[in-house]
Amino acid sequence: KQEVTQIPAALSVPEGENLVLNCSFTDSAIYNLQWFRQDPGKGLTSLLLIQSSQREQTSGRLNASLDKSSGRSTLYIAASQPGDSATYLCAVLTQGGSEKLVFGKGTKLTVNP
Amino acid sequence: GAGVSQTPSNKVTEKGKYVELRCDPISGHTALYWYRQSLGQGPEFLIYFQGTGAADDSGLPNDRFFAVRPEGSVSTLKIQRTERGDSAMYLCASSLGYDWTSGRVNSYEQYFGPGTRLTVT
Repeated sequence: KQEVTQIPAALSVPEGENLVLNCSFTDSAIYNLQWFRQDPGKGLTSLLLIQSSQREQTSGRLNASLDKSSGRSTLYIAASQPGDSATYLCAVLTQGGSEKLVFGKGTKLTVNP
Repeated sequence: GAGVSQTPSNKVTEKGKYVELRCDPISGHTALYWYRQSLGQGPEFLIYFQGTGAADDSGLPNDRFFAVRPEGSVSTLKIQRTERGDSAMYLCASSLGYDWTSGRVNSYEQYFGPGTRLTVT
């Protein structure tokens, strides 16, 4: 059974700092890994999707890496801004028939002005 | 184009009542997913449809929960005899899914709606 863990559960940083969020998963047989952003009381916004054959994806100040063999992904946020404050969720799509995403519990990020 | 939409955005109901939650997927997306998210947790899978049929309903917690997608587009999640423990955010997602012409999956990327906040009092 796939399990996804995100560390840390919460993170508070001053504006301008670079930061890394971590995600680990137990079953390396995945199709892809997605990073999402969730604002309080809102739905999920997809940030980056990494296919299992890829090592990283970049979008603006965001860079996500994937090491499938070790079951790890990181989301790097450069030059953080107060508007980056949100919960960041990692989810994997595991091979083997079902198309369900398995999510971690998320990292709550606060960027202080 | 329009994204995934869900109605209502908020629903308050009394224990024991019946509720329906609606999801309109992105046009042309053949796969549709329902997830439930409790406070402080990540979303948990409930059910997904490929076209009109439920391809995997293993996440439905019990027989009070049921979902339909009769025409392969809009889906309705139905909850009977609601309990306070059903209070959560219900999220819907869609993806391009399976291409019956080519016999291949177009894309597994899932796009989420804004969710329905259900509160059972």
